[in-house]
Amino acid sequence: NAGVTQTPKFRILKIGQSMTLQCTQDMNHNYMYWYRQDPGMGLKLIYYSVGAGITDKGEVPNGYNVSRSTTEDFPLRLELAAPSQTSVYFCASSYAGGGANEQFFGPGTRLTVL
Amino acid sequence: GNSVTQMEGPVTLSEEAFLTINCTYTATGYPSLFWYVQYPGEGLQLLLKATKADDKGSNKGFEATYRKETTSFHLEKGSVQVSDSAVYFCALSHLSSGGTSYGKLTFGQGTILTVHP
Repeated sequence: NAGVTQTPKFRILKIGQSMTLQCTQDMNHNYMYWYRQDPGMGLKLIYYSVGAGITDKGEVPNGYNVSRSTTEDFPLRLELAAPSQTSVYFCASSYAGGGANEQFFGPGTRLTVL
Repeated sequence: GNSVTQMEGPVTLSEEAFLTINCTYTATGYPSLFWYVQYPGEGLQLLLKATKADDKGSNKGFEATYRKETTSFHLEKGSVQVSDSAVYFCALSHLSSGGTSYGKLTFGQGTILTVHP
């Protein structure tokens, strides 16, 4: 049971380039989330999904896009990368969206935009 | 809106010392409260949680009590170990006016804990 996996682990982008951060979970969770973690800050929610075909914006969605074509996968797309997007990105999933349900996190992707 | 404030870090302790990491929150309704831990190079993992006032969450010797009157959820451990060195995040779950949270979490900024032998 791999849990939540993310690829790549590290990436350096030039300003204006695009990339997709991959996230896969094998726990059959309906709910998935993307967060970014900036130094000395807590995690900020970028986008979330409550099931295949359903996505919604979180607190900091600008500059990102997501899709959810299957239960397992929830890729995050960066278009026209900017230095402000330098961060560590975490994907998470949970069984349901009830307030007390645990979120399971992937190991993160460290992205640098130069 | 919802917010979580944690004590400033980093916190440096000797092994077997007592640990307190303060956490206060602002939220409407009755959110659930969580402590997540992030070990070096890893993602976050749930340490403990509490879902209603006066609940005490506990795990691995850590405890936190949901105090609605002081809007707090302080993390404590009686005797820390070197292996407890990590970043600790306090978080709450959102609740919309309809009572649906979709599991969205608001995090505090994190507190770095370093324990020396």
